Amino acid sequence: SQELEQSPQSLIVQEGKNLTINCTSSKTLYGLYWYKQKYGEGLIFLMMLQKGGEEKSHEKITAKLDEKKQQSSLHITASQPSHAGIYLCGADMRGGSNYKLTFGKGTLLTVNP
Amino acid sequence: DARVTQTPRHKVTEMGQEVTMRCQPILGHNTVFWYRQTMMQGLELLAYFRNRAPLDDSGMPKDRFSAEMPDATLATLKIQPSEPRDSAVYFCASGSRRRGILPANEKLFFGSGTQLSVL
Repeated sequence: SQELEQSPQSLIVQEGKNLTINCTSSKTLYGLYWYKQKYGEGLIFLMMLQKGGEEKSHEKITAKLDEKKQQSSLHITASQPSHAGIYLCGADMRGGSNYKLTFGKGTLLTVNP
Repeated sequence: DARVTQTPRHKVTEMGQEVTMRCQPILGHNTVFWYRQTMMQGLELLAYFRNRAPLDDSGMPKDRFSAEMPDATLATLKIQPSEPRDSAVYFCASGSRRRGILPANEKLFFGSGTQLSVL
């Protein structure tokens, strides 16, 4: 079974709509990273969360890590076609300044103009 | 802007041939990662280098894959012999790891990947 579950697997929204992507684990997440990937390209770092209850925002994207540090959400407000792509969460699931990130399988976001 | 450079971008080869993928990490970064991405498995870590030393290659099939860092500006991933099941996108990423400071790992910078097709 996948250690990091992302939902939904894919999402189609109309431009201007809000949306949320979730990343869930049964284990503690010691560091949670959100990346965005465009087709045919590498991953681009969005945000990193470490503390339970932490929330970060950049432009129209907000990421949160729950108090138990087992679930994170990525929220996009007033989506635009430029937000389209694959969103991946990656997490340090071992702690102790571990270098290994486990990634979810990604959420494919389509934003229709 | 500093970026991780990977070559080639695309590679089509026949089963049994040797494949070499190259990566130039961002200058000053002390960690290099090789990842493989497939539809079925998602992103899998193949190898991890810190200060050019290979610290973890447990994700690699040992009999056919090898990863090296001949110098700080070049990381290579070789497959010999290649098999159809190796078809995937291979990403290199670099970052900085700082001792005694949290988070120990700063964000990773990914290259654009090498799309490998083994026929």
